Formats: sequence, structure tokens, C-alpha cells
Amino acid sequence: DIQLTQSPSSLSASVGDRVSLTCRASQTISNFLNWYQQKPGKAPELLIYGASSLQSGVPSRFSGSGSGTDFTLTIGSLQPEDFATYYCQQSHSNSPTFGQGTKLEIK
Amino acid sequence: EVQLVESGGGLVQPGRSLRLSCATSGVTFDDYAMHWVRQAPGKGLEWVSGITWNSDTTDYADSVKGRFTISRDNAKNSLYLEMKSLRAEDTALYYCAVYDNSGHGFFPHWGQGTLVTVSS
Repeated sequence: DIQLTQSPSSLSASVGDRVSLTCRASQTISNFLNWYQQKPGKAPELLIYGASSLQSGVPSRFSGSGSGTDFTLTIGSLQPEDFATYYCQQSHSNSPTFGQGTKLEIK
Repeated sequence: EVQLVESGGGLVQPGRSLRLSCATSGVTFDDYAMHWVRQAPGKGLEWVSGITWNSDTTDYADSVKGRFTISRDNAKNSLYLEMKSLRAEDTALYYCAVYDNSGHGFFPHWGQGTLVTVSS
């Protein structure tokens, strides 16, 4: 199974900050990597697919990069509604797997 | 508007069975694979099972293999998860999700989840 490790597990930041979250795969997965945002009590929402493609309707302050084993989700200028938990997910294998999540909190 | 509505969750004793359903609308159901993803209280997302658009292929996480069965009825635009021999560690919010594998496999649409609690 392909394991995904996200870092950091939690992060404190302020409105207006630029933040980067990392996801590392246990083996190369090309660009079969997606990012989701989950707010408390809500279902996850797709932000980025194919490592760098922005899902329709997602603000342009979100961007994704990376290929192979190392991936990054960057939020250009944090807004109050961005404080949430972020998950990466790989689709390189037939069995999708998720990272353990990064919780983004207000400083 | 795409809607996925899960049902069938509840409190069940260890060793018993439960069947979850997911009714969909606003999406061409038989165009897509469908999956179940769960989230234990306070924990992260765990993929559970998936099924191709025509039910040709099913796949399961090792943690549920042999106990859970995924199925779908394209005429009813519905997805199901039959869960047997339930364990305390199966306690979670169960989401159904559309899986778009036309290019990169991802989950563009999710339901709100149905809670399964396994406890005596």
C-alpha cells in the first residue's frame, strides 16, 4: 500500500499569511495526488486534483505543486474561512489512500 | 446540483450487521465509480471500498475485507455497503463519494455521512 505522510500535523498561522503544507508518498506516484479541505462537521471538499489543477469554484489563492513523492499545497493569503483540516489523497494505486491530515489553526 | 444522501447508520452491537445506502441525484450515476470513505470520531479519513460504474470490479481496505460488501443499483442511482461482523473499530461516520477516474482519480462529490456506532 502507498502511504502518505503529511507535515506538519498542525500549524498555527494568521490571516494574511502564506502557508505551505506538505505531503510525502512512500513511493513515486507521478502526479496522482489530490488535496481536500474539511471543516468541522462537514464533508471534505476537493481543492486540487492532479497535484496542481484547481477544482472549479476553488479560490485562486490555493495552489498545488509537486511530482513523484513530494507535494505541496500552498495558500497564498490566508482568509478566516481557510482554517480547517487539509488532507492529501493518492490515486496512483487502485486503492486510494489519504494522508493523516494537517490542522490549520488561527494564531 | 449534485446530492448524495447516506442512510442506514445507527447503534449496533459487536458482531452484528448493518446495511448502508447512498441515494444520489444531479449526477449521471452510471458514469462514475463510487466509493465509501469513513472517519472515526476525531480521526482522519480512511478509504473503505470502491466499485466500478458497471460493478465489474470491487475493492476493499484490508481492515474490512471479507466483512464488508459494496454494491450498486444503477437503475436506482444508489450505492450500498453491507457490513457484517462489526467491530468497535468500525465506529465512524461513513461517507459515500463519487470517484472521477477519467484522468486523475479524485472525489469531487461527497455526502454528509451516516454515523455507525458499534458498541454493546
